[in-house]
Amino acid sequence: DTAVSQTPKYLVTQMGNDKSIKCEQNLGHDTMYWYKQDSKKFLKIMFSYNNKELIINETVPNRFSPKSPDKAHLNLHINSLELGDSAVYFCASSQDGRTDQPQHFGDGTRLSIL
Amino acid sequence: QKEVEQNSGPLSVPEGAIASLNCTYSDRGSQSFFWYRQYSGKSPELIMFIYSNGDKEDGRFTAQLNKASQYVSLLIRDSQPSDSATYLCAVNMNQGGKLIFGQGTELSVKP
Repeated sequence: DTAVSQTPKYLVTQMGNDKSIKCEQNLGHDTMYWYKQDSKKFLKIMFSYNNKELIINETVPNRFSPKSPDKAHLNLHINSLELGDSAVYFCASSQDGRTDQPQHFGDGTRLSIL
Repeated sequence: QKEVEQNSGPLSVPEGAIASLNCTYSDRGSQSFFWYRQYSGKSPELIMFIYSNGDKEDGRFTAQLNKASQYVSLLIRDSQPSDSATYLCAVNMNQGGKLIFGQGTELSVKP
């Protein structure tokens, strides 16, 4: 039983293309997140949604657009992909957005831009 | 100053020893502290969380928090080769669930 699942696991594409990553959680959590982990393994939050409402929007290029159709799903669409977008993107979820709630991560999507 | 700092390592310990991983944070108002383990090519996995000053033990793992010194640590007793991974310290700075991660400490446990 996968708690937080992301698709695809690997994404190889050319510069300038548009791509989407999907995330689903079956934990009944209200809050979902997108993180980016760069080549130096530094993990940084990008967005979070609580019950379909955007609550954290870090300084991320507007080529990145999250969408939450319901509280169990959070997708990430990226327009005009650039070389610097190559990274591993992790989806995570928590019970709610409170500070004491641990976050549970999906397996990640490894994005490679050619 | 980075918001959350860890020694990047690698930290090498012999099997059976105690591994000590340290983390400092900049925001004195931080509320919650988490330790994640990440194997190479895998996702971060929650090991421990701590909210109050003092020690919290779970099996071979002990988290220690000192809010006055803005310091949190993770001790791994009886270290095993399977503990070899990168350990990420994460701090929730009371910004609506926003976790700030350190750069991680790579631990290597030698048989």
